[in-house]
Amino acid sequence: EAGVAQSPRYKIIEKRQSVAFWCNPISGHATLYWYQQILGQGPKLLIQFQNNGVVDDSQLPKDRFSAERLKGVDSTLKIQPAKLEDSAVYLCASSPGAQETQYFGPGTRLLVL
Amino acid sequence: QKEVEQNSGPLSVPEGAIASLNCTYSDRGSQSFFWYRQYSGKSPELIMSIYSNGDKEDGRFTAQLNKASQYVSLLIRDSQPSDSATYLCAVNEGSARQLTFGSGTQLTVLP
Repeated sequence: EAGVAQSPRYKIIEKRQSVAFWCNPISGHATLYWYQQILGQGPKLLIQFQNNGVVDDSQLPKDRFSAERLKGVDSTLKIQPAKLEDSAVYLCASSPGAQETQYFGPGTRLLVL
Repeated sequence: QKEVEQNSGPLSVPEGAIASLNCTYSDRGSQSFFWYRQYSGKSPELIMSIYSNGDKEDGRFTAQLNKASQYVSLLIRDSQPSDSATYLCAVNEGSARQLTFGSGTQLTVLP
């Protein structure tokens, strides 16, 4: 069974630029999550999708972050404009359903200069 | 504000010893508890889940849950250098039962 796929793996941008991350969950997993992990901290949930609907986006900085999962499969997370404090690893995870075991992708390391 | 607290470490144990990792949580309604292992530069991988009070064993790993004390722990027996990693405690919390992670405990097993 293929795992969660993410791209790109690394991204370096300057502040005020925009960036987008892509995630393909495990086949058949209805629930998809985006997390932000700052160095030395645990992952923090940004947004949770159930199929193509948003379940929880309470910690998503909506003035600069957006995410979509149009067909209930792949998802994209966008940051526009980026700030220095957005430097982190962005992890995508999926699970068969809400509150079930989550499986993480390899993450995208973002550095904002 | 729902919280998951872990002893930050770092924790060092000699090879073959028992490593004990601890976690407390604030939401009394939490029902699902997880331990993830994260190697440096890698993503978290699930090693244990526990849902009921008591102990759950899987190979060299034992998870312990005490809901009355809002406490969950992970014991690693016969620790190996390959166990050196950051261990993340995660708890389903809040009205949406989202997964809240602790900041992790860095474990080093010395050969």
